[in-house]
Amino acid sequence: DVKVTQSSRYLVKRTGEKVFLECVQDMDHENMFWYRQDPGLGLRLIYFSYDVKMKEKGDIPEGYSVSREKKERFSLILESASTNQTSMYLCASSLNNEQFFGPGTRLTVL
Amino acid sequence: AQSVTQPDIHITVSEGASLELRCNYSYGATPYLFWYVQSPGQGLQLLLKYFSGDTLVQGIKGFEAEFKRSQSSFNLRKPSVHWSDAAEYFCAVVLLSGSARQLTFGSGTQLTVLP
Repeated sequence: DVKVTQSSRYLVKRTGEKVFLECVQDMDHENMFWYRQDPGLGLRLIYFSYDVKMKEKGDIPEGYSVSREKKERFSLILESASTNQTSMYLCASSLNNEQFFGPGTRLTVL
Repeated sequence: AQSVTQPDIHITVSEGASLELRCNYSYGATPYLFWYVQSPGQGLQLLLKYFSGDTLVQGIKGFEAEFKRSQSSFNLRKPSVHWSDAAEYFCAVVLLSGSARQLTFGSGTQLTVLP
């Protein structure tokens, strides 16, 4: 089975802190994705990566950056966390148009 | 721009009743279509997908969906709902962009199952 893991299930940070969310997949997938999920808005794509060191902006990249130094790992970075970044963050990897999701990280920014 | 619409924010059905969750998309060509389910506190699990061929697709947990090109719809159905089906359901469409394939999600339908 494909496994996508995220480093934390719950995270609480303060405004202005730098936040790292880590995602690891074990199936050698080329493509990886970061979404945020908010009630009534579904999932919105923040960034995605189709290869090591390659990245593309999604629909809502402002306030975020990403890093993909190794194929299996895709990190989401909040350079200076703000309260409006309180959300559920979901990572996914894909093969043949099917995406496999991690369990999510619920981030609260105080 | 592509969009996916799930017109029902919340649906309540009794256990054993039939279920239909609606999904409409706006897209220039035949898309790849997906239904995902999310149980509380969990990630998303793929229920079924449509790429081409037979427009009625079978998925896991007894779910099926029918692609209707004329209506730009991909509705999810189940003939008899179980209490464990209570969850949030998301319809999604693949968008081709660059070298990766992006999913565009609907806003979700929350399903409540009454005993």
